Order: sequence, then structure tokens, then C-alpha cells
Amino acid sequence: EAQVTQNPRYLITVTGKKLTVTCSQNMNHEYMSWYRQDPGLGLRQIYYSMNVEVTDKGDVPEGYKVSRKEKRNFPLILESPSPNQTSLYFCASSLITGTGNQKNIQYFGAGTRLSVL
Amino acid sequence: QKEVEQDPGPLSVPEGAIVSLNCTYSNSAFQYFMWYRQYSRKGPELLMYTYSSGNKEDGRFTAQVDKSSKYISLFIRDSQPSDSATYLCAMTPYSSASKIIFGSGTRLSIRP
Repeated sequence: EAQVTQNPRYLITVTGKKLTVTCSQNMNHEYMSWYRQDPGLGLRQIYYSMNVEVTDKGDVPEGYKVSRKEKRNFPLILESPSPNQTSLYFCASSLITGTGNQKNIQYFGAGTRLSVL
Repeated sequence: QKEVEQDPGPLSVPEGAIVSLNCTYSNSAFQYFMWYRQYSRKGPELLMYTYSSGNKEDGRFTAQVDKSSKYISLFIRDSQPSDSATYLCAMTPYSSASKIIFGSGTRLSIRP
């Protein structure tokens, strides 16, 4: 089954304790992206990656890091989480390559609800 | 001002009603328009994908784009309780753009 898998689904942590949210897709997609979803603000893009070792900032990258060492995985790293990073996070993937006319139809994971105390 | 504005609702209608969900946008460069549906505790899933102005129909769903007014709509006919979800509009200037701008979502509830 084609899917985007995020782990963990729920996470409660304390300010300053480094954490990683994993994301994996089995569709051989080149494009992957991270979003956060907050009430009234919708989905805001944090980082995206067009291919292995190619990442770029989205609208709200501050306080986050990503890496893309393998095509299927795109972890989101919070080096020193703060309470304003409490949010619902989504990973997504798409088959766009950046050089063609593919449609950027994104497939989303089920989400990770993060609380930073 | 946000690039994409969407009424957050909640919107509650009786089963069988016609539902109209709307978004307005400010960037005239947007040409590709999408509607995503998001059930509670799930990720968004693509419902409709349209290009430029006009209508597109898929079963009980119709997506409408009016680029002159910078206004898009999603109509749901014969609404069902299973349509209860949050609906997000999304748009982008070209099909393979790496960035998609999402609306904040409208929460819809269909009463049996």
C-alpha cells in the first residue's frame, strides 16, 4: 500500500530536549515536505526537498532542521524545542522532480501531534 | 493579508443539502487549484485538482474557479455524514511548483 509514515504520532517533550520526527514514503517520490498545522493558520511549509541531499526552506523554517540522505526518508529535527513549536506536523511526498510538468499532488502522512512543555 | 483566505466555519448542514465551500486569493499568478479533505486525526487527501477558470465535476463534487474574481468554490451535492471533515483549498502558480499555498480550512459537519 502506497503510504507516508510518520513516527511518533504523539509526542510530549520539554523545552530544549532535542527530538526527531521520522517520515518515510514507499512511493519512490523525489519530493518531500514538512508542514505544521495550527488553528486559524492552516498548513505552513517548514522545509522541502526536491531530491536526495537537496533541501530548501519553506515559510517557517526557524527552529527546525531536516536531512535527506535517502530518497524514502525525510526526518524533521528540533534541536532545542520551544513551546511555540507545539503543533500538528505533517510530512508529505509528491512525484514532482522540478524539471518536468508533473502535478504536485501531495500525499500526506497521518500527522504527529507535538507538545513542548 | 493572507494570500489565501478561507472561512474557518464550522459549517453545519442537514444530510442531503448542497454545500458550498469557498476561498479567495490575492495572487493572480495562481493557476492550479486544489481541494483537500482532512478527516479528524488524519492527514489531508486530495479531493479535486483543477487548472485555470471553469468547472470540474467528480461524482457529487464540483470545483469551480473564477480567476477574474480570484474566487474558488467546492460544491458538494447530496451531502452525507461521511462528508463531515475539514476542507482545505490550495493553489500554486504552476503544476510542478515546489510550494503550495493552503487555506486555513473550513470545518464541515453534516447532520443525519
